[in-house]
Amino acid sequence: DAGITQSPRHKVTETGTPVTLRCHQTENHRYMYWYRQDPGHGLRLIHYSYGVKDTDKGEVSDGYSVSRSKTEDFLLTLESATSSQTSVYFCAISDGGGGGIQPQHFGDGTRLSIL
Amino acid sequence: KNEVEQSPQNLTAQEGEFITINCSYSVGISALHWLQQHPGGGIVSLFMLSSGKKKHGRLIATINIQEKHSSLHITASHPRDSAVYICAVRGGGGADGLTFGKGTHLIIQP
Repeated sequence: DAGITQSPRHKVTETGTPVTLRCHQTENHRYMYWYRQDPGHGLRLIHYSYGVKDTDKGEVSDGYSVSRSKTEDFLLTLESATSSQTSVYFCAISDGGGGGIQPQHFGDGTRLSIL
Repeated sequence: KNEVEQSPQNLTAQEGEFITINCSYSVGISALHWLQQHPGGGIVSLFMLSSGKKKHGRLIATINIQEKHSSLHITASHPRDSAVYICAVRGGGGADGLTFGKGTHLIIQP
C-alpha cells in the first residue's frame, strides 16, 4: 500500500473555529490532492499541488486553503469552519504526468463534523 | 467540465452472477479510472485505462473512447466484492485532479 497518512482520522469541532487536516506521504510523489466526499455528490476536488509551494484550486475550493512547504506534507485548512464543511476528506497522491494519467492512491480519510 | 454518469446506482445480485457497471463521460479524456470503496471507507485504485481492455483476476475493465463509455465487469461474483465502485476521469477546464461519478453500490448476496 502507498504510504499515505491522514491526521486526524476523526474530528468534531464548532462553527467558526479553524481546522487543519494533514496529509503525509512517504512515496516522494509530486502530485497531492484533497477531495471531499458527500452523499449525493460523490468525491469532489478541493485543491491540489503539483510540487512544493505549487498549488491550485479545484471544483469546491471556497472556504479552504492549502499549503505544501515540503514534498511529503500537504495541509488543508478551514479558516472558519461552517456546518456545510462537515464531510469526509480524502487525500490522494500520484506520481508524475498530471492527475489524470497516473493512478491515484488514497489515504484512509478524515471524518470531520462541524456543529 | 467533464460530466461522469454511472449506472446502475444500486445493484444487488446473487453470488456467482456476472456483474456489469457502466460509466459514460461527456468530454474526451486521456485516461479513465475505476476505484473501489469498501464499507470501511478506504478507496483503492482498481484500473486506469486509456484504450481497449484490462483484466485483473475476476475484474475486467473496458473502454470505448469514441463512444465515451467504459464498463467494469466482475465474473463469478462473491460477497467480498460488495463495495461501492467509482468511475473517474480527469476534470478538464484547466483543473488537475479527477472528476468522479457518484458510484455504484454493489451488494452480492450468498
